[in-house]
Amino acid sequence: GQSLEQPSEVTAVEGAIVQINCTYQTSGFYGLSWYQQHDGGAPTFLSYNALDGLEETGRFSSFLSRSDSYGYLLLQELQMKDSASYFCAAPDNYGQNFVFGPGTRLSVLP
Amino acid sequence: DAEITQSPRHKIIETGRQVTLACHQTWNHNNMFWYRQDLGHGLRLIHYSYGVHDTNKGEVSDGYSVSRSNTEDLPLTLESAASSQTSVYFCASSEATGGWNTEAFFGQGTRLTVV
Repeated sequence: GQSLEQPSEVTAVEGAIVQINCTYQTSGFYGLSWYQQHDGGAPTFLSYNALDGLEETGRFSSFLSRSDSYGYLLLQELQMKDSASYFCAAPDNYGQNFVFGPGTRLSVLP
Repeated sequence: DAEITQSPRHKIIETGRQVTLACHQTWNHNNMFWYRQDLGHGLRLIHYSYGVHDTNKGEVSDGYSVSRSNTEDLPLTLESAASSQTSVYFCASSEATGGWNTEAFFGQGTRLTVV
């Protein structure tokens, strides 16, 4: 099976850069995804890494190191609207199901 | 635009009652999932389906059932609701590309309270 670990909370100020880490243990590996969830809302997909390295999408980047079983989400030029919970996720069961980490709550302060 | 919708958005029911939560997607995805989300537990998989007439138990399936009679719908039934089933329920769908799933699309959630 899969298990993923994340810090429970992170706080940063507007305009800053923040990194949210995720470590995983997997029986097979099919990549690492990241989701954002605002309070009262649904999780929405941010990024997916299948291979080692950095994937950039605007202010958000996601990194993966398969040898270290580790990934992170990097948020740059933080804005108040980035305050949300962020989940890493990995497909399980031969890549067909999604297993989610416990989530990291990001608070952006003015 | 394709979408995934859940109904109702909010529901209060009495202990012991049966309730069905609806999930409808227009993505034409084969894979559909039900999760529950509770504080401190993240998203936990209840049931999933890989296609019509296929259903499988997830991590926390006790007390829940699903059926898949068509591609678009995966209703979740609580046979006899318990207070421990008070939670926010999310339905999701996906399609495997290159052999496995990379992205899940979520409905807006159903907040269920069992009193």
